[in-house]
Order: sequence, then structure tokens, then C-alpha cells
Amino acid sequence: GAVVSQHPSWVICKSGTSVKIECRSLDFQATTMFWYRQFPKQSLMLMATSNEGSKATYEQGVEKDKFLINHASLTLSTLTVTSAHPEDSSFYICSARPGLAVSYEQYFGPGTRLTVT
Amino acid sequence: AQSVTQPDIHITVSEGASLELRCNYSYGATPYLFWYVQSPGQGLQLLLKYFSGDTLVQGIKGFEAEFKRSQSSFNLRKPSVHWSDAAEYFCAVSAGNMLTFGGGTRLMVKP
Repeated sequence: GAVVSQHPSWVICKSGTSVKIECRSLDFQATTMFWYRQFPKQSLMLMATSNEGSKATYEQGVEKDKFLINHASLTLSTLTVTSAHPEDSSFYICSARPGLAVSYEQYFGPGTRLTVT
Repeated sequence: AQSVTQPDIHITVSEGASLELRCNYSYGATPYLFWYVQSPGQGLQLLLKYFSGDTLVQGIKGFEAEFKRSQSSFNLRKPSVHWSDAAEYFCAVSAGNMLTFGGGTRLMVKP
């Protein structure tokens, strides 16, 4: 149980275009989902926290107009990278926390590799 | 604010040897602590977690970790490493709604 999927697993796009990444909790309802960014050989940096039905909370330094997050249902959150540039190339990982979790445990998706050319 | 330090960026061990990965945390209250493993190009898999109770916790794949409050540590151990254990390991502390990760330790296994 507690499986999180991401789609696509990798994507290549041209500079200036937008890319949407989906994060789904497959066998549980996630009231809270998280989006992380990971640069090569580095740790995960939290970008934003999203709660179902409300606006996402962005970490300091993360442009909310560039990284649009929508958490429309208890099993789906999306991250849209708008007007992507090469510096947005990275590995994006989502995680989800079950609605009844009391342990603050998060389950992670497999990640999406974004390359902007 | 909470923080996590993994002092060793790289560790190389021989297959069959024992392993200990260090993790130190800074947090004002009783922490929730986690160890995750990440294979190249993959997401994170939870190895084990500590919330309360017994300070020695058992995880998957033969891993265990010991919580030592006096040392603010949560070191990960395995008695005999397998080649498939080569990966990146992250220690994390949960404070409220979010996880804070350490910088990671890359484990390499020599045949």
C-alpha cells in the first residue's frame, strides 16, 4: 500500500513552453502533497506544500507564478512549470501524506526528470 | 528551525562488511526521524522510522537505526552489506507538516 505515482517520468521541452507533472496517490487519500526539487548529487529541497482544495504554500525563494500547483482532489496534485528555461531542468519529486496520518510520514513518487532545451 | 546533518558525503564498504551511516539532527522537541534510500533516477523509499518507544528500530532490507537523544543522533546500520545496497541514503526529521532532509550519503559497495 501507500503507492504514489508521477507522470511523466521524464520530459524534454523547449525553452518558453510549459510542462505539467502529475502526482497521484494510488491507494490512499492524501490531504497534503508536497513538491520537491533535486539537483544532481544534492538533497531534496521542498518547493511547496499543497492541501486539497486550497492554495499551495510555497517555500521562500520559489516563484509561485512560475511553479503552479493545483491539488484538486484527494488523490491528484499537479505541478506546472510555466515558461520553462534551462535552469528549470531538474528532478522533481512529489510526496503525499495520508489524510489520517499522525506520524507525518510521507510517501514519495518515483520522480520526473525535466530537461529544458 | 530543524536541521539534519549527514557528515559523510561518500562511504565505500566491501560487500559483506558492516555499515554505519551517521545522522545528527537539531530539533527542539521530540523528533520524528526517518531514513530513506534513493537509487539513481528513482524516488525515495522509506527504510525505517522512529516516533517513540524502543530506541532501536528495525527496517526493511536488514537495516536498523538507533535513536540517541543525548547525542541527537539517528545512525543507520546494517551488519552485512550487499552490492544492491549501493545507493544514496537520506536521513530526515519531521517537524509539523514538513520533512527536512540531510545532504545525503552516497554508499558504494566494493565486490
